[in-house]
Amino acid sequence: NAGVTQTPKFQVLKTGQSMTLQCAQDMNHNSMYWYRQDPGMGLRLIYYSASEGTTDKGEVPNGYNVSRLNKREFSLRLESAAPSQTSVYFCASSALGQGYNSPLHFGNGTRLTVT
Amino acid sequence: GNSVTQMEGPVTLSEEAFLTINCTYTATGYPSLFWYVQYPGEGLQLLLKATKADDKGSNKGFEATYRKETTSFHLEKGSVQVSDSAVYFCAHKLSFGAGTTVTVRA
Repeated sequence: NAGVTQTPKFQVLKTGQSMTLQCAQDMNHNSMYWYRQDPGMGLRLIYYSASEGTTDKGEVPNGYNVSRLNKREFSLRLESAAPSQTSVYFCASSALGQGYNSPLHFGNGTRLTVT
Repeated sequence: GNSVTQMEGPVTLSEEAFLTINCTYTATGYPSLFWYVQYPGEGLQLLLKATKADDKGSNKGFEATYRKETTSFHLEKGSVQVSDSAVYFCAHKLSFGAGTTVTVRA
């Protein structure tokens, strides 16, 4: 039972480079999310997808794009990486829309460093 | 808007000590409330939840009661162990607190 799988686990980018963070869940969940975790700031929502075919901005969407490829997969793209995007990125999923009453299931994170 | 405020850490305790982590929230309506735990190098995992006022969530010796009148959901454990060392997050809807780092010394 894999749950939520994120790749890669670690990544170092130079300023201006692009990359895509991959996320897949095998729990048949409807909703998926991308968060970033920074020291002292907790988790901040970047984008979410309430259901297949829909995406919405969260608290900190600037500099990111997402794609809900199918029900299982939700990718996060950095088109032109900046040092301010150095962070740990977590993908999560939940059975019901927007996690109101169903808990989020998290992947193990991607540690991204932008130099 | 929706927000969560939890007590700042870090918190350092001795084994068998009592742990309390305060959490208050602002929200429209009465959403479910959650506590998540994050062990080093891992993602967050659900510790417990409560879905309505006066509900008590519990798991692994931890408890939290949904208090509508004080908009609080404080986490407690009566006797902590070294294995409880982790970062704890209070959450509702899609909003998370800043996290409280707890270290338990043997």
